[in-house]
Amino acid sequence: DAGVTQSPTHLIKTRGQHVTLRCSPISGHKSVSWYQQVLGQGPQFIFQYYEKEERGRGNFPDRFSARQFPNYSSELNVNALLLGDSALYLCASIQEGTEAFFGQGTRLTVV
Amino acid sequence: AQSVTQLDSQVPVFEEAPVELRCNYSSSVSVYLFWYVQYPNQGLQLLLKYLSGSTLVESINGFEAEFNKSQTSFHLRKPSVHISDTAEYFCAVSAIWGFNKFYFGSGTKLNVKP
Repeated sequence: DAGVTQSPTHLIKTRGQHVTLRCSPISGHKSVSWYQQVLGQGPQFIFQYYEKEERGRGNFPDRFSARQFPNYSSELNVNALLLGDSALYLCASIQEGTEAFFGQGTRLTVV
Repeated sequence: AQSVTQLDSQVPVFEEAPVELRCNYSSSVSVYLFWYVQYPNQGLQLLLKYLSGSTLVESINGFEAEFNKSQTSFHLRKPSVHISDTAEYFCAVSAIWGFNKFYFGSGTKLNVKP
C-alpha cells in the first residue's frame, strides 16, 4: 500500500502569488488534515476534512482554504502569499481515533 | 484546547548513553499521546503512542515512554542511543473525542555524538 503522497515536494513562489498543494491519503482513510511547520517549530494545525466536510480549522487567515474530493484526496490553497508563509506543509491521513500518518511534505519558499 | 511543552530544544548525548526527552501537556479533556520523529527534510514518522491501558509504551527500536497522568507528562527514554537516532522528536496530543486534531510541541533535536 502506498503511504501518504504529497505534491509537489518543493516549490518557490513570489509574494502575492497563489499556490495549490495536493495530498493523497492512504487507501481507506477518509480524513485528511493539513499542518504548517515553520522552520524550528512544531507543526501547527490548519484544517481537517472528513468525508469531504471541514471538521476543524486552525488559527490561520482566510487566505488559507482547502477542500476534499470524493476520492478523499485534498488540496490546500493559499492566496496572496506572504514571506511568512514559507514553511513545510504536511498532510496527514487519519485513521480515526488512533494516529496520523504524515506525508513527506511540500517545502514552500516565498521570495 | 490542548498544549504541549517540550522542555529541551536540543539534547546532545554520546553514543550508547541513555537519554530522556521531556514532554508535558495541558488539557481539560482526556487525550491520546504520541511521539513522532522527523529526520532532515522528511515528514513525521510515528515512534510510539499511548491510547489506553499500560502507561508504559515501547517502540520497536528501543524507545519507551511513560504516561503519567498526575504529572501530565509523557517523557521519552532510550537506555542506549545510536548515531542513527539523531533526529528531531515531537511530542503530540489529540483529544480522544476531538476529530483527531493534533497539538505538537516545539520539538527536541537529539544529537548523538560518536
